[in-house]
Amino acid sequence: DTAVSQTPKYLVTQMGNDKSIKCEQNLGHDTMYWYKQDSKKFLKIMFSYNNKELIINETVPNRFSPKSPDKAHLNLHINSLELGDSAVYFCASSHLPPADLSTYTFGSGTRLTVV
Amino acid sequence: RKEVEQDPGPFNVPEGATVAFNCTYSNSASQSFFWYRQDCRKEPKLLMSVYSSGNEDGRFTAQLNRASQYISLLIRDSKLSDSATYLCVDYISGTYKYIFGTGTRLKVLA
Repeated sequence: DTAVSQTPKYLVTQMGNDKSIKCEQNLGHDTMYWYKQDSKKFLKIMFSYNNKELIINETVPNRFSPKSPDKAHLNLHINSLELGDSAVYFCASSHLPPADLSTYTFGSGTRLTVV
Repeated sequence: RKEVEQDPGPFNVPEGATVAFNCTYSNSASQSFFWYRQDCRKEPKLLMSVYSSGNEDGRFTAQLNRASQYISLLIRDSKLSDSATYLCVDYISGTYKYIFGTGTRLKVLA
């Protein structure tokens, strides 16, 4: 009965490869997010979707492309992976801010290592 | 200047001690604040919201000082299980964004 689930949990891949991370939530939230947490533990927003519409698009390389087939799913596709992409990627969901901000819930993270 | 700043620590305290962390924010449009806890190699989890009037949840007390633009977290009677990184979070009105601080690491020692 995991609320926000991400797959895979660990991903080790070579530079130049293309990979996807999937996220699904069963909380009935209408907003989902992708965050990147680097080696210095800084947690930074990348993208957010509300009901399949992109509402946050931070300055990230265009090698990163989010896709939201429905409001319960937000996937992250990364092209031409680079060493600097190594990080933990967290998916999260909530009701659309500012409503009920305490509903913000994170997935358990995907640890991506690019070698 | 970073939008949300925290002392990274680590704060090493003995069991039973009282410890306090501050977090400063730079955006005067900041609307809501939260403290999250993140254990090593885990996801952040909500610890408590921070209300203008301050709020308390057991051994934890959160305060907001809008004039000086900082929030604080006080932990009384520290337990070994309190060892974690504490993230200050700021919601900026009209942006949909939660801005996370880099966290303050707490180690409670036996």
